[in-house]
Amino acid sequence: IAGITQAPTSQILAAGRRMTLRCTQDMRHNAMYWYRQDLGLGLRLIHYSNTAGTTGKGEVPDGYSVSRANTDDFPLTLASAVPSQTSVYFCASSTGTGDGYTFGSGTRLTVV
Amino acid sequence: LAKTTQPISMDSYEGQEVNITCSHNNIATNDYITWYQQFPSQGPRFIIQGYKTKVTNEVASLFIPADRKSSTLSLPRVSLSDTAVYYCLVGDTVDSSYKLIFGSGTRLLVRP
Repeated sequence: IAGITQAPTSQILAAGRRMTLRCTQDMRHNAMYWYRQDLGLGLRLIHYSNTAGTTGKGEVPDGYSVSRANTDDFPLTLASAVPSQTSVYFCASSTGTGDGYTFGSGTRLTVV
Repeated sequence: LAKTTQPISMDSYEGQEVNITCSHNNIATNDYITWYQQFPSQGPRFIIQGYKTKVTNEVASLFIPADRKSSTLSLPRVSLSDTAVYYCLVGDTVDSSYKLIFGSGTRLLVRP
C-alpha cells in the first residue's frame, strides 16, 4: 500500500541523547515535511524539503536537522534531545503543488 | 502565508449538517484553500481543496465567496465518526516553497 512509513512508532529518550526519526515514502512525491504536534495543539512545521538535495526551515527548526539524500527518505535528527522536544512527530509528503498532503502515522517521542 | 481563523470548537448531533467557517482575510491571489481532518493519534487527512465558488466531493462541500476572505466547510449528515479536529489552511500552490502552516483547528464533537 502506497504511503508514508515512520519509525519508530514511539520512543522514550534520555535527555542529551541523539535520535533520528525515520520517514520513507513510496509515492515519488517531490516535497516532504516534518511537523510536531504538542498535546491539544495544531501542527507546527519543523523542516521541509521541496525536492531531493534541498531542505528548508519551518516555524520551529531549532534543535532539529534534516537531510534529503534521495526522493524517498527524509530523516529528522535531534542532536541532543531536551524535554521540550517531547511531542508527536508527523512526516508528510506532497507533489509540491498543494493538492493535498499525505501524512504518516506519527512518532510519539518522550524525552525524560 | 496567509493566517486563518476558525472556531475553537463546535458541537453537533448525528444526522445534522455541520458548517465550519474559516476566515483568511489576507489570502493571496495564488492561494488555494485546503481542509484537513485529524482523528486522535493519527496524522491529518486531506478532505477538500478549492480556489473559488463551490467544490464538492464524496465527503464534504467547500463554499468560497467571491472575495475569498472566508470559506465554509460543509459536512452533510454527520455521524459520530466525524468527531475530529478540522483544519483550514491556505497556501500558494505554485510557490516552489509551498508548505502548509496549520492553525489550532476546530474541534468538532458529534453527539448521539
